[in-house]
Amino acid sequence: SYELTQPPSVSVSPGQTARITCSGDALPKKYAYWYQQKSGQAPVLVIYEDSKRPSGIPERFSGSSSGTMATLTISGAQVEDEADYYCYSTDSSGNHGVFGGGTKLTVL
Amino acid sequence: EVQLVESGGGLVQPGGSLRLSCAASGFTFSSYEMNWVRQAPGKGLEWVSYISSSGSTIYYADSVKGRFTISRDNAKNSLYLQMNSLRAEDTAVYYCARGARIAAAGPDNWFDPWGQGTLVTVSS
Repeated sequence: SYELTQPPSVSVSPGQTARITCSGDALPKKYAYWYQQKSGQAPVLVIYEDSKRPSGIPERFSGSSSGTMATLTISGAQVEDEADYYCYSTDSSGNHGVFGGGTKLTVL
Repeated sequence: EVQLVESGGGLVQPGGSLRLSCAASGFTFSSYEMNWVRQAPGKGLEWVSYISSSGSTIYYADSVKGRFTISRDNAKNSLYLQMNSLRAEDTAVYYCARGARIAAAGPDNWFDPWGQGTLVTVSS
């Protein structure tokens, strides 16, 4: 079955840039979406269609995709950005959704 | 306010059944595709199932195909997940989530909003 691969953890100091990657064979043809999940809460969309930012999401969140890798970038990460981040996409058929394993972002 | 509220979770024995519901409000439910996503305790998110706006197209993750059935009642603004032959590994918080882009024709879409989730525990 199709898989998306993320690093388990990323750690940065406040104000630094955090980059979280997501790799998958179908990403050249399928969008990547990114969700932020804080402890005990439902996920929140932070990036859709590779690089679009929903209203209400801070400008420091951005996304990009090239080849088989999508990247979520948090420029000037804040302590409040500490959370688990998940990429999401579909297999090449578009009929099965897949989440990456998640990346725990630590900002301290 | 756009809102999704799940219900129906609880404790069930292995091999048992449970039916989850998701009540939608604040938007035209019949226009949107819907999904179920689950999260086992301490684990990551797992996409479970998709249903089109009319209910005519349905997809499942391999892990639940043949055991779970997704359905909807547009007159009642409600989404359902019938779960049969439950296993310990089905223990999770189950979220319903709206496919935000209309007419995506599949789970290649972003999910917004999500419900608060309902916990299903499969244990003897």
